[in-house]
Amino acid sequence: DTAVSQTPKYLVTQMGNDKSIKCEQNLGHDTMYWYKQDSKKFLKIMFSYNNKELIINETVPNRFSPKSPDKAHLNLHINSLELGDSAVYFCASSPATIREQYFGPGTRLTVT
Amino acid sequence: GENVEQHPSTLSVQEGDSAVIKCTYSDSASNYFPWYKQELGKGPQLIIDIRSNVGEKKDQRIAVTLNKTAKHFSLHITETQPEDSAVYFCAASTSYNFNKFYFGSGTKLNVKP
Repeated sequence: DTAVSQTPKYLVTQMGNDKSIKCEQNLGHDTMYWYKQDSKKFLKIMFSYNNKELIINETVPNRFSPKSPDKAHLNLHINSLELGDSAVYFCASSPATIREQYFGPGTRLTVT
Repeated sequence: GENVEQHPSTLSVQEGDSAVIKCTYSDSASNYFPWYKQELGKGPQLIIDIRSNVGEKKDQRIAVTLNKTAKHFSLHITETQPEDSAVYFCAASTSYNFNKFYFGSGTKLNVKP
């Protein structure tokens, strides 16, 4: 009965590799988000999709590419991973007309 | 864009005491202010929110107050319990971009038994 789920929970990889993080929500929400939480716990939005359409695209390196195959899924693909990409990445979702955002459990990415 | 500042960064209280966390925002168009609790190893969880047409909102032991003139809002937790220990984040979103949340830097609350 998980509302917003992410896989994997932990991801350890080497510099230069390409990796993906998957997110799924079963709340019927129209909008989904990716956030990055750095080592100081600061939360910053990266992307947002509404019904498969990109609506927020922050200043993020173009090595990061979100993909939304349908409104229940939002995946994050990262090319050529760098040490500075190490962080916890959170997926979130919200209904169309209500601002409440519901977060997933996070994916801790460690680049070595 | 919006800038949200949060204080203090750490707060230690004795069980049963009250805890207050304060946030300020810069954009007068901000009109939605949620508070999130993040426990270790988990995602942020919405605990309470307030809209700009309301000055105060309460839910059991937690309450949020909003001062639009001064552009600040606060989280109040009464009768704190050890399970309240977590990192708390405030956030703000504007009327013209309500999907975009600007988060404060977080407050680590430690409730000592």
